[in-house]
Amino acid sequence: QSALTQPASVSGSLGQSITISCTGSTRDVGGYNYVSWYQQYPGEAPKLIIYDVTDRPSGVSNRFSASKSDNTASLTISGLQAEDEADYFCNSYTNSSTLLYVFGTGTTVTV
Amino acid sequence: EVPLLESGGGLVQPGGSLRLSCSTSGFTFGHYEMNWIRQTPGKGLEWVAYISRSGQTIYYADFVKGRFTISRDNAKNSLFLQMTSLRVEDTAVYYCVKEVELWGRGTLVTVSS
Repeated sequence: QSALTQPASVSGSLGQSITISCTGSTRDVGGYNYVSWYQQYPGEAPKLIIYDVTDRPSGVSNRFSASKSDNTASLTISGLQAEDEADYFCNSYTNSSTLLYVFGTGTTVTV
Repeated sequence: EVPLLESGGGLVQPGGSLRLSCSTSGFTFGHYEMNWIRQTPGKGLEWVAYISRSGQTIYYADFVKGRFTISRDNAKNSLFLQMTSLRVEDTAVYYCVKEVELWGRGTLVTVSS
């Protein structure tokens, strides 16, 4: 079971919007509506920012939005701010015989 | 108060054992499924093990099956990971995770001779 594919890095200017993709297969992203996204600062634990493909936990900025099409999930950060500079990971439930969840390769966002 | 606090990491030789603990607070532990997830610079995030609310259903990633054991004590609001036959490639930060939602700060396990 390979990791979900994300771009290694994405950059944008203050106020711009960026989108991070997360590509899997029908065994994971395409087969279930259980995709989550996490934000991680260096030396800190990942923080959930999106769950169940599109839902935002309470307290997470509405500048974060997400969607899914076929085997690819996407995270969009609108109105980019300096504090958005971090690593972002996607995660999906999988019906693999060897794993329960599979993670993305991670994307570093530079503002 | 930290909701999830891991402990028990450290340096161990290949073939050795460690027991990780995760003490929880601020939520009804027994109501939630729990996971152990690890992170390395090279392989990124990897799901390791899952345990149901009651502890009766358990799943492992193939790469730890037969070597690691996940368990929980709902009376003590605690999650555990017994790791045996440790390998160099098990070196990682291990996170205790409430469902896939809330993560602890992690504990570093280093397997090296």
